[in-house]
Amino acid sequence: QITLKESGPTLVKSTQTLTLTCTVSGFSLDTRGVGVAWIRQPPGKALEWLALVYWDDDQRYSPSLDGRLTITKDTSKNQVVLTMTNMDPVDTATFYCAHRGPYGGNFFDHWGQGILVTVSS
Amino acid sequence: EIVLTQSPGTLSLSPGERVILSCRASQSVSNKYLAWYQQKPGQAPRLVIYGASSRATGIPERFSGSGSGTDFTLIISRLEPEDSAVYSCQQYGSSPWTFGQGTKVEIK
Repeated sequence: QITLKESGPTLVKSTQTLTLTCTVSGFSLDTRGVGVAWIRQPPGKALEWLALVYWDDDQRYSPSLDGRLTITKDTSKNQVVLTMTNMDPVDTATFYCAHRGPYGGNFFDHWGQGILVTVSS
Repeated sequence: EIVLTQSPGTLSLSPGERVILSCRASQSVSNKYLAWYQQKPGQAPRLVIYGASSRATGIPERFSGSGSGTDFTLIISRLEPEDSAVYSCQQYGSSPWTFGQGTKVEIK
């Protein structure tokens, strides 16, 4: 079955760069139509889509993050990596990676458990 | 960017009651590209509905979705205790893909 798991630091300091890894199983990152997204959720707040990488390495980003994001995939390792620069306390959130299925549409049918990242000042 | 507004903010109903949740978009959502997610405390979201009306794998038949354009609805025909959660809508018709702020469904 499809699983995703986030890993990375749970505490970063203001202005630092955050690097998160999503390790997937049960599907291949180069299967046509497949994608993996990063989505965050500040405590008690709404979900926010951040970035998505497709099977063909096409990348999409939320314009509101203004060039702070980079998403890459390593098919051989079954991993998708998100980097987010210039972290600020307002970026404190649970970060999820999620699977975009190959049958069309940028909705997310499997999610990781999430990782809570706290940004200290 | 399409802004999604969900109503009501919180709903408190008894088991067996019918639940109607609303998701309104600031612009028309193309191709009915609207999904609903269920999120319980401390858990990741779970896909419930995609394409406005298609149930995801494993979702009970009491969940149904409808709508088009700017107005979408999620209905739970008979509320069960395990349905207590926050329900969020997401549009994927145009990037950036956006989520609503969620509706909390409580069981009386």
